[in-house]
Amino acid sequence: EIVMTQSPATLSVSPGERATLSCRASQSVSSNLAWYQQRPGQSPRLLIYGASTRATGIPARFSGSGSGTEFTLTISSLQSEDFAVYYCQQYKNWPPSGTFGPGTKVDIK
Amino acid sequence: QLQLQESGPGLVKPSETLSLTCTVSGGSIRSFSYYWGWIRQPPGKGLDWIGSIYYAGSTFYNPSLKSRVTISVDTSKNQFSLRLSSVTAADTAVYYCARLEGGPYWYFDLWGRGTLVTVSS
Repeated sequence: EIVMTQSPATLSVSPGERATLSCRASQSVSSNLAWYQQRPGQSPRLLIYGASTRATGIPARFSGSGSGTEFTLTISSLQSEDFAVYYCQQYKNWPPSGTFGPGTKVDIK
Repeated sequence: QLQLQESGPGLVKPSETLSLTCTVSGGSIRSFSYYWGWIRQPPGKGLDWIGSIYYAGSTFYNPSLKSRVTISVDTSKNQFSLRLSSVTAADTAVYYCARLEGGPYWYFDLWGRGTLVTVSS
């Protein structure tokens, strides 16, 4: 089973600053990685898939990078609506299965 | 636009079976491109993939839950369902249904609002 870890657990950032979130897989997942945002009381929302492709309607300030076991989600200039929990998820192609990371909470500094 | 809505009892007794249904509206569940899945989130905790199903009936389960989980699909009603047997307090969670893009990259691109299921006597 592939285990996902995320760091840091909590990231305190001021509005307008850059946030860098990390996700690591216990073995290579190639580019089979997605990022989700979950605001309080809401369902998760897809941000990034294929490690670096923004989902439809996602602002350009969100970017993803990495492959293999190391991945990064960058928010270039934090807006008030970006304070949320972010999860990475790896998925194995066949049979399709996915493991989520424990999440990184981005809160206001 | 396509929407997903979970429904089912909000309270289940320990040792009984949790049953939820996800109704897909605004589009057909009979899509070649998508699978359909269930994910849960215990209060204050992270996300846990339960399993996925294709409209033709192929299913894939989280190994840690496989012995207790059954996911089925009813294409005539545009619904898919989750059954989780022998529940305990540890199964208390918000349960989400979601659409799973089926390749070349796999990801959940559309989610329901979620429904809280509490396991308690």
